[in-house]
Amino acid sequence: EDQVTQSPEALRLQEGESSSLNCSYTVSGLRGLFWYRQDPGKGPEFLFTLYSAGEEKEKERLKATLTKKESFLHITAPKPEDSATYLCAVHPRGGNTPLVFGKGTRLSVIA
Amino acid sequence: DSGVTQTPKHLITATGQRVTLRCSPRSGDLSVYWYQQSLDQGLQFLIQYYNGEERAKGNILERFSAQQFPDLHSELNLSSLELGDSALYFCASSPMTDGYTFGSGTRLTVV
Repeated sequence: EDQVTQSPEALRLQEGESSSLNCSYTVSGLRGLFWYRQDPGKGPEFLFTLYSAGEEKEKERLKATLTKKESFLHITAPKPEDSATYLCAVHPRGGNTPLVFGKGTRLSVIA
Repeated sequence: DSGVTQTPKHLITATGQRVTLRCSPRSGDLSVYWYQQSLDQGLQFLIQYYNGEERAKGNILERFSAQQFPDLHSELNLSSLELGDSALYFCASSPMTDGYTFGSGTRLTVV
């Protein structure tokens, strides 16, 4: 069964304190791994897609990396506006399989 | 604005009732996905339609059904509602099978 586990469940950082969020996955074959940001009461907002081990993508203070078993979302010098829930999802190979999401990491950045 | 439109934004109804949630996908996207998000479960896949045809089904209850119309908008019908059906319901669309774009969701409260 395809599975995504995100850790930690919640993370509280001081403004400027860099950290990483983890996404571990089990999938029969990986078509792609996605990171989304979700603000309270809103829909997930697309951040990155990663397709193969060793791939990295960056956007402002965020950098996503991928290995064969996990992905990391690195947050450098975060600001309060980075506070949100970050969701990881895998897209398994084969057939019409939809994205499988983890439960997310709730990030709070304190000024 | 993501381009995926969901109505209504909020819905409050009584147990045993039936409701219809509506989704208009991004212009040009043929696939529509429905997800349910509750506090402790994360995003759970319900059902996918592609150009009017059902393509994949998740853990969707028999009390729930969906369809996609010729103009590509989709409706999710929830009947015999129970308290446990209270959740956020999201629609997402994609041009093929990668890169979902989510709507802002419908918050359903069953009382």
